[in-house]
Amino acid sequence: QKEVEQDPGPLSVPEGAIVSLNCTYSNSAFQYFMWYRQYSRKGPELLMYTYSSGNKEDGRFTAQVDKSSKYISLFIRDSQPSDSATYLCATETSGSRLTFGEGTQLTVNP
Amino acid sequence: KAGVTQTPRYLIKTRGQQVTLSCSPISGHRSVSWYQQTPGQGLQFLFEYFSETQRNKGNFPGRFSGRQFSNSRSEMNVSTLELGDSALYLCASSSPKGASSYEQYFGPGTRLTVT
Repeated sequence: QKEVEQDPGPLSVPEGAIVSLNCTYSNSAFQYFMWYRQYSRKGPELLMYTYSSGNKEDGRFTAQVDKSSKYISLFIRDSQPSDSATYLCATETSGSRLTFGEGTQLTVNP
Repeated sequence: KAGVTQTPRYLIKTRGQQVTLSCSPISGHRSVSWYQQTPGQGLQFLFEYFSETQRNKGNFPGRFSGRQFSNSRSEMNVSTLELGDSALYLCASSSPKGASSYEQYFGPGTRLTVT
């Protein structure tokens, strides 16, 4: 079983839609969870991270962690064409080592 | 504040050759991690250096090695290149809090093509 699993999509939505991106993880010991955005031919950009359970909001983005079900989510409100990118979830699995999901390719259509 | 820089951005090598990639972290960051990104395997951790010492290592063969200098700049080396080493190599820097380095900031990557 993979340590972090993510549906690769692709996901296509109209502009203005609410987008929900999800990952599951295998080990209840994982504490830190991150979301990265990666545009084509660029390096991943850290969007936000959360510690343990709960929600964290930053503008149109909300990250959510449910430790009881080992589920992490990223919600994007009022999605824009500029949000079109690959979204990667990640967790810190061992010290400084990040383990990533496969990434979900998102397209927001004008 | 300048971001993570990686050089070169693109590289084409032949099987059997060796290659060295360079990474300059964000000023003040002392931890540098390296990752390999391929379409089939996604992003995979190679190793992490902190204060010139390798602190963590992923599951890659010994052909992959790295080092860190006193100014926190890091290099990774791949010897005896194979076709499967073609990938985007990403460097990330962070300012660790204890053993954790969860706020990792990535550079643009070096795209290596092995022919």
